[in-house]
Amino acid sequence: GQQLNQSPQSMFIQEGEDVSMNCTSSSIFNTWLWYKQDPGEGPVLLIALYKAGELTSNGRLTAQFGITRKDSFLNISASIPSDVGIYFCAGGANSKLTFGKGITLSVRP
Amino acid sequence: GAVVSQHPSRVICKSGTSVKIECRSLDFQATTMFWYRQFPKQSLMLMATSNEGSKATYEQGVEKDKFLINHASLTLSTLTVTSAHPEDSSFYICSARDWGQGGETQYFGPGTRLLVL
Repeated sequence: GQQLNQSPQSMFIQEGEDVSMNCTSSSIFNTWLWYKQDPGEGPVLLIALYKAGELTSNGRLTAQFGITRKDSFLNISASIPSDVGIYFCAGGANSKLTFGKGITLSVRP
Repeated sequence: GAVVSQHPSRVICKSGTSVKIECRSLDFQATTMFWYRQFPKQSLMLMATSNEGSKATYEQGVEKDKFLINHASLTLSTLTVTSAHPEDSSFYICSARDWGQGGETQYFGPGTRLLVL
């Protein structure tokens, strides 16, 4: 089946720093979505990407849909304490989403 | 916009009983909703796709008689865990499909924590 690779499992950064997260796959996806999940909550959509090569921003977040359609990255600039959480990438194909394992981001004040 | 609610947020039940979880799209209509299961420190695993007015489609390994899904209206899907056992304890999250400017996406509910004693 389709699998998405997100690594590392955890990232630790200093407040104010930028951070980049990658998501790769052996399969092609038509859509790439990035979600943030806080403990005990459902995932919240951050950015949706629909075209290969597309670069989209949402405030301090920027994400790109890889040209090969097999990868995507998410950048967070000038991190703040509330950026703490688990970031999931999700690839969409045939109206279904496949999720990566998530990256837990910690931000030191 | 694109708000999805779930009820209840958490439930504790005895082994052998059935539990119903509701998923509602509050400000849009969703012909398709999805049910996921998430174990601690793990990713979301798709259980089934709920289609309004038709039978749900279950992922491999998910028992349809165990996890009953009903999508009776364009804003409501329900998941019933029948004869629940402790191994069914998990975090159940629903999502509703919506269409944005570029394509489709899924908006998630806040999840339901199920504990079976």
